[in-house]
Amino acid sequence: DAKTTQPTSMDCAEGRAANLPCNHSTISGNEYVYWYRQIHSQGPQYIIHGLKNNETNEMASLIITEDRKSSTLILPHATLRDTAVYYCIVRVVTTGTASKLTFGTGTRLQVTL
Amino acid sequence: DAGVIQSPRHEVTEMGQEVTLRCKPISGHNSLFWYRQTMMRGLELLIYFNNNVPIDDSGMPEDRFSAKMPNASFSTLKIQPSEPRDSAVYFCASSSAAWNTEAFFGQGTRLTVV
Repeated sequence: DAKTTQPTSMDCAEGRAANLPCNHSTISGNEYVYWYRQIHSQGPQYIIHGLKNNETNEMASLIITEDRKSSTLILPHATLRDTAVYYCIVRVVTTGTASKLTFGTGTRLQVTL
Repeated sequence: DAGVIQSPRHEVTEMGQEVTLRCKPISGHNSLFWYRQTMMRGLELLIYFNNNVPIDDSGMPEDRFSAKMPNASFSTLKIQPSEPRDSAVYFCASSSAAWNTEAFFGQGTRLTVV
């Protein structure tokens, strides 16, 4: 799987948008971009994933650049409960078989008042 | 569904003892992942199964670790003999393999080996 690079930590004021970048310059054509987060002492939680089109769900938006070498996870109105470690993962997708889901070091997002 | 269920939630054992961690995946999911998390090494994938068959165990640290999935609703991770450096939080996750959908994680088992 392609390697990802994320900033170690970021701060965001409550109510503002949190934009978390991820670099995946060696991504292959059959690899999706996944985002998970881990709130202290809990198991990781899925947020969103995409291939090349921008994606949005009730939690966040995912913006993938046209060359697919980087992406940004956007939390539109961050709250204190969004304080967590956010993981960007690039994962091979094959029909009918789950593939490796490997976590890097992630970005520690601190949301402040 | 109650989600992925792991037991026990906490385990304290003495060095040299056998430890067995248990995981019940979400009903209908056919992929299962075991992870270990420490401050030093982060979240490491140990092994994962598709349809009860181990697919990749390259993350299993050494022969003291073994994992089984005898049926679709149960998996175990065994450490024998345990060592203090095995102290960590162990997570189990399950997903549907149909189209690499999201993985759901359990609450984890905090293992302390003294």
